[in-house]
Amino acid sequence: GNSVTQMEGPVTLSEEAFLTINCTYTATGYPSLFWYVQYPGEGLQLLLKATKADDKGSNKGFEATYRKETTSFHLEKGSVQVSDSAVYFCALSDKAGGSYIPTFGRGTSLIVHP
Amino acid sequence: DTGVSQDPRHKITKRGQNVTFRCDPISEHNRLYWYRQTLGQGPEFLTYFQNEAQLEKSRLLSDRFSAERPKGSFSTLEIQRTEQGDSAMYLCASSLGAGDNNEQFFGPGTRLTVL
Repeated sequence: GNSVTQMEGPVTLSEEAFLTINCTYTATGYPSLFWYVQYPGEGLQLLLKATKADDKGSNKGFEATYRKETTSFHLEKGSVQVSDSAVYFCALSDKAGGSYIPTFGRGTSLIVHP
Repeated sequence: DTGVSQDPRHKITKRGQNVTFRCDPISEHNRLYWYRQTLGQGPEFLTYFQNEAQLEKSRLLSDRFSAERPKGSFSTLEIQRTEQGDSAMYLCASSLGAGDNNEQFFGPGTRLTVL
């Protein structure tokens, strides 16, 4: 079956540091890939997505590139801010038998200190 | 507020009781998803609807769980004969379209505690 593996957290950084959160996946088909973010006390919201190999999703300074050869979708940001502190979820959506079944990773907590 | 809403936000019940949760999606969204999330884990897919049709159910959805979306608008998730292992956050999400790359909009969740 499908699965998403994320690096374990928490990831603790100082403001303006470089961020990488690793995500790898297994899928039976050719999935679309997503990063969702959950800020404290709020629901999950889409951060960025990519639908085919070599696509780069980007939003709010975050980027992730769909790497089919390494089945990865790592999240990066060049300079994090305190307001980026949140839980980040990598996810895929794969067509299986005609239906699209979303699969989420367990989430990676990011803590950014001033 | 035009986002996804869920009711109740919190539910405490005794083992063996039945509970029902409601989700109101964004009005024009044709897809509606239910997930379960436990502490330290990501959302686990339970089921989804396209309009009023339930198109997919996870094997996590035991016979005690049933979901409906009778008019293709709001949805209910019922758990019968609750067990302590059912304690979790139940999330609802909605999306527009039929493809696999559409953004899901999540509600705030219903936190269930089974005593």
